[in-house]
Order: sequence, then C-alpha cells, then structure tokens
Amino acid sequence: SQQGEEDPQALSIQEGENATMNCSYKTSINNLQWYRQNSGRGLVHLILIRSNEREKHSGRLRVTLDTSKKSSSLLITASRAADTASYFCATASSTGGSYIPTFGRGTSLIVHP
Amino acid sequence: KAGVTQTPRYLIKTRGQQVTLSCSPISGHRSVSWYQQTPGQGLQFLFEYFSETQRNKGNFPGRFSGRQFSNSRSEMNVSTLELGDSALYLCASSSQNSYNEQFFGPGTRLTVL
Repeated sequence: SQQGEEDPQALSIQEGENATMNCSYKTSINNLQWYRQNSGRGLVHLILIRSNEREKHSGRLRVTLDTSKKSSSLLITASRAADTASYFCATASSTGGSYIPTFGRGTSLIVHP
Repeated sequence: KAGVTQTPRYLIKTRGQQVTLSCSPISGHRSVSWYQQTPGQGLQFLFEYFSETQRNKGNFPGRFSGRQFSNSRSEMNVSTLELGDSALYLCASSSQNSYNEQFFGPGTRLTVL
C-alpha cells in the first residue's frame, strides 16, 4: 500500500482562491516532499520539509508537517490557472537498511480562470 | 544545466518482447532512480543507482533490471513484457540520494500490445 495518501483526490477551485491538500503517511520519516506533475509529464519538486520542521514557505506555497499525526498539508495561496496539475507527497522511509521513497496517489487540482 | 533527459519518449512493444529505456541525469548528479507510474498503482519506485551500484530496490519482479554507467547515465530493461507493464517510466536524478530533492525527466511512455 502507499506510504503517503493525499486528500482530497480531486479539487476544483476558482482562480484567486486558496487550495489546500493533505497527505497522511504511516511510518516515521526523514523528510517529506511535495511534487507537482502536469498532465503526463515529469514531476517538479516544490518543497522539502524535514521531520524536525513544522512549517515551511516558498513563494505562494506553505507546507506544514505534524509528525505526531503523521500528516502534512500543502497550501497554495491565490491560485492561478497555471497551478492546474496533480500534486504528490513523497516520503522517505528506511526498511532493513534500504531506503524506499514512496509517493501518494496525488491530488488533482483544477483552477478555473 | 541541462535537465534530465529520457529516451525514447514513446515506445510501443508487443507482449514477450524486451525493452531498454535510457536516462541521462543532470551533470554532476550521481544518483539515478527509476519509477513506474500507472493510473491503478500510482507512482512506484523501481530502483536507485549510485556510482554504478544499485543502492535501493523496490518491489518489482526480476524482469525489471537496470544499470548505471561511469558517466552516471542509466538504463532500465524490462524483459518478457506483459500488458500490465504499460506505463509512464520516470527517471529522476539527485546529487546524493533520493532522500533529497529529485529532478525528474519527462518520462518514457511504454505501451505493450
């Protein structure tokens, strides 16, 4: 099963509104990352938050991490049509000395102009 | 710097055939990871190579293999193709490991008929 699970699966908003998506994970992590993917293309790294950090900002992006609840949220403020994409959270977990990066199934965001 | 490149971008094969995909990482990056993305399973980690050695491996059958060359370029091979291998195969490079920010290529869309 997926380590990270995003919620909601799909989100439709108007330009200018804020978009919030959440990610829950199961095991302890080293860090959590958010990526964006435009339809059928490669992923673009947005932001990385370490397990000892609680909040991080990058431009219109704000990420929070609650390790006690094993959850993270990504907030995109003042959304634009160009923000239309799928957003994935990725976690780093170690199993028996091996590191397996895992991605959630993503939140599909549509921003209407 | 040039981004991660993957060749070919599209590929059509028939069941039972084998295929080799290529990935050129960002100059200076020594870690190359491969992922399979399908609508049903999402984005799944195949393996990671670092300095020509496989460092981590996901839960895929032995039909999926890879290698990395001294210039950090990597290839992924899938033998005895099955219909279920149809997917977008993504390559990502990182300066150290996939714990950190990964830079993704545009992917190779493989269709198995």
